[in-house]
Amino acid sequence: DTAVSQTPKYLVTQMGNDKSIKCEQNLGHDTMYWYKQDSKKFLKIMFSYNNKELIINETVPNRFSPKSPDKAHLNLHINSLELGDSAVYFCASSQDSAGSYEQYFGPGTRLTVT
Amino acid sequence: DAKTTQPTSMDCAEGRAANLPCNHSTISGNEYVYWYRQIHSQGPQYIIHGLKNNETNEMASLIITEDRKSSTLILPHATLRDTAVYYCIVRVGMGGATNKLIFGTGTLLAVQP
Repeated sequence: DTAVSQTPKYLVTQMGNDKSIKCEQNLGHDTMYWYKQDSKKFLKIMFSYNNKELIINETVPNRFSPKSPDKAHLNLHINSLELGDSAVYFCASSQDSAGSYEQYFGPGTRLTVT
Repeated sequence: DAKTTQPTSMDCAEGRAANLPCNHSTISGNEYVYWYRQIHSQGPQYIIHGLKNNETNEMASLIITEDRKSSTLILPHATLRDTAVYYCIVRVGMGGATNKLIFGTGTLLAVQP
């Protein structure tokens, strides 16, 4: 069974559209994250939720809105997509938000905005 | 979180030990050293972490110098599947604030047949 799964794996869309990426973890973890890896391969954290509560919000445009309907799911909705949003988006989870718990990453969603 | 410095790339022969260095000269007393790797087109994968003592698990060993200003990740018998970018990350561990990973540029390890 996949621990952290994301859908879709690939997403190609046009500028100005609105799209969502879904993430689910079956590890029973309390904390989930979204990371963005750009074309230069830099990985940066975007958001983190702990027990459905937003705890990390790095300087991300407000076109990006995460939503956590329950502990096992963290979705990412992006409005008015721009060319610069093209990247691979990784979801991750950890047992808790504090401490040294390792993070488990999903396979990524490659978003291409044309 | 303290800054880390890693070589951009390294080669290793298959079956030999791969030793990946990391410099973290500004590390604080309560900061841990973490290692993750990212195999091409996959999500990052946790490998190991440590504070002061050397650590070993089924994937690798972590050697931390006595002054804690540098560390080495050792893959004892590298295989082609170990070809990946390896990230050394320093952050506060237990009792720390939020569990936020800050990735640098990492070391691209190429295992050669």
